[in-house]
Amino acid sequence: QKEVEQDPGPLSVPEGAIVSLNCTYSNSAFQYFMWYRQYSRKGPELLMYTYSSGNKEDGRFTAQVDKSSKYISLFIRDSQPSDSATYLCAMRISNNAGNMLTFGGGTRLMVKP
Amino acid sequence: GAVVSQHPSWVICKSGTSVKIECRSLDFQATTMFWYRQFPKQSLMLMATSNEGSKATYEQGVEKDKFLINHASLTLSTLTVTSAHPEDSSFYICSAPTSGWGNEQFFGPGTRLTVL
Repeated sequence: QKEVEQDPGPLSVPEGAIVSLNCTYSNSAFQYFMWYRQYSRKGPELLMYTYSSGNKEDGRFTAQVDKSSKYISLFIRDSQPSDSATYLCAMRISNNAGNMLTFGGGTRLMVKP
Repeated sequence: GAVVSQHPSWVICKSGTSVKIECRSLDFQATTMFWYRQFPKQSLMLMATSNEGSKATYEQGVEKDKFLINHASLTLSTLTVTSAHPEDSSFYICSAPTSGWGNEQFFGPGTRLTVL
């Protein structure tokens, strides 16, 4: 079993839909959770960075962490074709600079106009 | 966010040659940088952790003599793929954590290596 599981998709939605992307993990020591967006042939771009359980909102994006269930989510409101990309969840045990990230496999999202 | 650059963005080389990839943090210093490899439609696989002024730490299964890492300064790390073979063809991405509260990791744009 992988440490971080993520449905690979593809997930296809119409423009304007609310998108829900999810990851589950097995290591209860993870405390810092991130979502990255990666366009084809580009490096990942940091979207959201949260600590412990709770919600964090930034524009159309909301990140949710439920540590008791070992489950994190990214919600995208009013999805746009430009949101079409692969979304990677990532997590780490501490925020020490030398601490590595553990990634999910990524979910490919397609938003159709 | 912070900016990390990579050079070159794309390289084709003959089998048996060596290729050097540079990773630079443009507006911050990074004592640690990370090197990843990504195959098509797969997630990032951590290869090694590059430490300024000391030896890199390699992940299990990554050959340190094949993938030479040098972290010569607080803004530059290099990955050299030695004696490249077609199976080394991949997308290589570096990242660097900033020194803010969360030490967020920012990624470079990646280098696509094709070995003929």
